Amino acid sequence: DAGITQSPRHKVTETGTPVTLRCHQTENHRYMYWYRQDPGHGLRLIHYSYGVKDTDKGEVSDGYSVSRSKTEDFLLTLESATSSQTSVYFCAISQSGSSTDTQYFGPGTRLTVL
Amino acid sequence: TQLLEQSPQFLSIQEGENLTVYCNSSSVFSSLQWYRQEPGEGPVLLVTVVTGGEVKKLKRLTFQFGDARKDSSLHITAAQPGDTGLYLCAGRGSGAGSYQLTFGKGTKLSVIP
Repeated sequence: DAGITQSPRHKVTETGTPVTLRCHQTENHRYMYWYRQDPGHGLRLIHYSYGVKDTDKGEVSDGYSVSRSKTEDFLLTLESATSSQTSVYFCAISQSGSSTDTQYFGPGTRLTVL
Repeated sequence: TQLLEQSPQFLSIQEGENLTVYCNSSSVFSSLQWYRQEPGEGPVLLVTVVTGGEVKKLKRLTFQFGDARKDSSLHITAAQPGDTGLYLCAGRGSGAGSYQLTFGKGTKLSVIP
């Protein structure tokens, strides 16, 4: 298994509070991604990174920000959590971004916003 | 925005039956991948198809990429309870942003012993 960890694995928070999710990899892969998975919507890309300090928006980036100060860490921040951000969040990594590249997924973080 | 329509959304079959899951789009993809996800875990890659018309086999699973590279199918022969899970197709575009994957909504398969 690819060395990807996510923390925390579960979190319950209240509307309006800031939340930061962490993704850590030991594979030295260049690309990192944050997805959310919701019933009826599948996996949707929030933000991705193609190198240290190089990030870009995905399909559902509103209300989220990211940072990548080191190759191994990719942080996802909800500045002011809302109930619509209740979801399961997955981090993924990939090596080259080519058409045959494999994305390896972490175990996920289940976030509940009350 | 590229969309992938996956069908059926749910499938419950008896052990030993055959099944096919479909993934369709109006967009052309440079490659298409199939993932399987177990409850409480992240998706795991099963296969990548790149060439139009390509067929790949993984034991009892057969994957096909459409000639026009807009659609794909997953066929399982003699399904086993261990095949139970969520199957996701994901397409990769070309050019800038080709490292981004667009996922279908998934097919939840239950194989009853």
